[in-house]
Amino acid sequence: GENVEQHPSTLSVQEGDSAVIKCTYSDSASNYFPWYKQELGKRPQLIIDIRSNVGEKKDQRIAVTLNKTAKHFSLHITETQPEDSAVYFCTDTGANSKLTFGKGITLSVRP
Amino acid sequence: EAEVAQSPRYKITEKSQAVAFWCDPISGHATLYWYRQILGQGPELLVQFQDESVVDDSQLPKDRFSAERLKGVDSTLKIQPAELGDSAMYLCASATVANTEAFFGQGTRLTVV
Repeated sequence: GENVEQHPSTLSVQEGDSAVIKCTYSDSASNYFPWYKQELGKRPQLIIDIRSNVGEKKDQRIAVTLNKTAKHFSLHITETQPEDSAVYFCTDTGANSKLTFGKGITLSVRP
Repeated sequence: EAEVAQSPRYKITEKSQAVAFWCDPISGHATLYWYRQILGQGPELLVQFQDESVVDDSQLPKDRFSAERLKGVDSTLKIQPAELGDSAMYLCASATVANTEAFFGQGTRLTVV
């Protein structure tokens, strides 16, 4: 959402390595944390999401972890492939349920 | 597979002219979003609807932009008059309700000359 910070802003990894993208949020009322992927020239698409009553969620090579105490959540991609190269957006929907995006993190996977 | 439909795909207009974009969300989706995305930036939320009601339009430049969703189904975003800085991709997205997966349309690429 509006108060979500993403870091780093760009990330480059070797194919086959893991990539981790971290985000922090400030709204204690946030209870839904989706991650969107946007490939060049395409529309954003949800790749994984997590709700505040869960600490971790996995879907094949992708996992998301949530630390409510520290107010941060992370995206983990294992065995990265060139098709993972894209802009990734982390966001939250707080008490007002607004779905807002930051600048995103550009992930480049080097073959 | 159901998709969010947007038209037109591309629009070129002269500055000071009026332009309108149309969005048809996935059937049954009560929440509808309009975003503007400038190249190299993330989508900027312009307006969010819940059925026919505006939930948030705090970032909508109301002197020139308007949005409506009269019957709570399809929606129209209008710009009048268009300015050079309005050149961007306009994305529509819908969700069953807020706080669930949002599905995006292919967008309308607007160029103001």
